[in-house]
Amino acid sequence: DTGVSQNPRHKITKRGQNVTFRCDPISEHNRLYWYRQTLGQGPEFLTYFQNEAQLEKSRLLSDRFSAERPKGSFSTLEIQRTEQGDSAMYLCASSFPPRNYGYTFGSGTRLTVV
Amino acid sequence: GQQVMQIPQYQHVQEGEDFTTYCNSSTTLSNIQWYKQRPGGHPVFLIQLVKSGEVKKQKRLTFQFGEAKKNSSLHITATQTTDVGTYFCAEDNSGGYQKVTFGIGTKLQVIP
Repeated sequence: DTGVSQNPRHKITKRGQNVTFRCDPISEHNRLYWYRQTLGQGPEFLTYFQNEAQLEKSRLLSDRFSAERPKGSFSTLEIQRTEQGDSAMYLCASSFPPRNYGYTFGSGTRLTVV
Repeated sequence: GQQVMQIPQYQHVQEGEDFTTYCNSSTTLSNIQWYKQRPGGHPVFLIQLVKSGEVKKQKRLTFQFGEAKKNSSLHITATQTTDVGTYFCAEDNSGGYQKVTFGIGTKLQVIP
């Protein structure tokens, strides 16, 4: 296992369509995070899991966004009825405190809503 | 959580010059993390600082955590073109849940 894997790398979708992204964390990492990053900004927290439990969801996340982590392994982030404002890079990260406090990020999924 | 403020937002330096970015908070921080993001890449974890007044070094990079744990700095000695990227500080004030909040970052450009 060489790192955090995200698929797809790029997604172009029409406004109003649903999209789903997948993240495969480092296998031993029990914490998994989703962040969103727009140009010129730092990553913005969306939600995170410890094992299969979703512990927190950002207030910025509307009810069009949902995330799951079945069996505490991979995670999916779904956006329903996409809007142009959803265009961003969606980053997944994992960690395993206390041994690994720092996040290991995946390469991200770049979403473009047209 | 309280977002940390980073300055400057942009910095151009001549190769070989030193570079420093600062991270400030109005509240006491539990710890601070630093990340580097290359152009077109994803953030990469550099280090975590936990103790008041802590100083850590990684080759040409020196990280400091203020005595009051309200500020931090990253100093790069004799910059190289490989140092190009955006440097983020990130605070973990989630009470042990390890949810970090990122600053806006300092974008470093090194002129050869």
